[in-house]
Amino acid sequence: ETGVTQSPTHLIKTRGQQVTLRCSSQSGHNTVSWYQQALGQGPQFIFQYYREEENGRGNFPPRFSGLQFPNYSSELNVNALELDDSALYLCASSSGTGQETQYFGPGTRLLVL
Amino acid sequence: GNSVTQMEGPVTLSEEAFLTINCTYTATGYPSLFWYVQYPGEGLQLLLKATKADDKGSNKGFEATYRKETTSFHLEKGSVQVSDSAVYFCALRGGGTGGFKTIFGAGTRLFVKA
Repeated sequence: ETGVTQSPTHLIKTRGQQVTLRCSSQSGHNTVSWYQQALGQGPQFIFQYYREEENGRGNFPPRFSGLQFPNYSSELNVNALELDDSALYLCASSSGTGQETQYFGPGTRLLVL
Repeated sequence: GNSVTQMEGPVTLSEEAFLTINCTYTATGYPSLFWYVQYPGEGLQLLLKATKADDKGSNKGFEATYRKETTSFHLEKGSVQVSDSAVYFCALRGGGTGGFKTIFGAGTRLFVKA
């Protein structure tokens, strides 16, 4: 069974640029969520995708957007990067949208200069 | 809304000491409860979980019991090792208006000295 994978592992961008992060969900999982983890804090929910539709969103501005593909992999896009976007971005997959366990990938560490 | 509160760290213990990390939650309904662990420079790993009241989750010597009456899910280990040094996150998912997102505590950093 393949776990959750993310790419790239590290990324450096400058303010105002755009970035795309990628996630492959665990085998058999149809739901993907994205979280932002600032240094020294717990992860904060960005949004969730189920069957290629966004079905929940946290307190993040519209410049954070995403996609889910038919194979359940997902992308997180962030436009007009700000310094505060520097964080670890975690993807999590699960077998449903309720109380099922979410399994996390290793994360992408984004640094915005 | 739903929330998780866990004890502040860092917690520093000597090898073979007993570990307790307190976690309490606020939620309507019956959420699932989790402990995740994060080693330096890595993502989150599921450590254990419990899905209903009085369930005990256990893994690698760690245990936590879902206490509905005290809304708690404290993490314990009888004898810690240096390799247990990490950040531990208590979390919940579901339960009434909590919906689908996993809500995390702020994390507790554990240092274990040889």
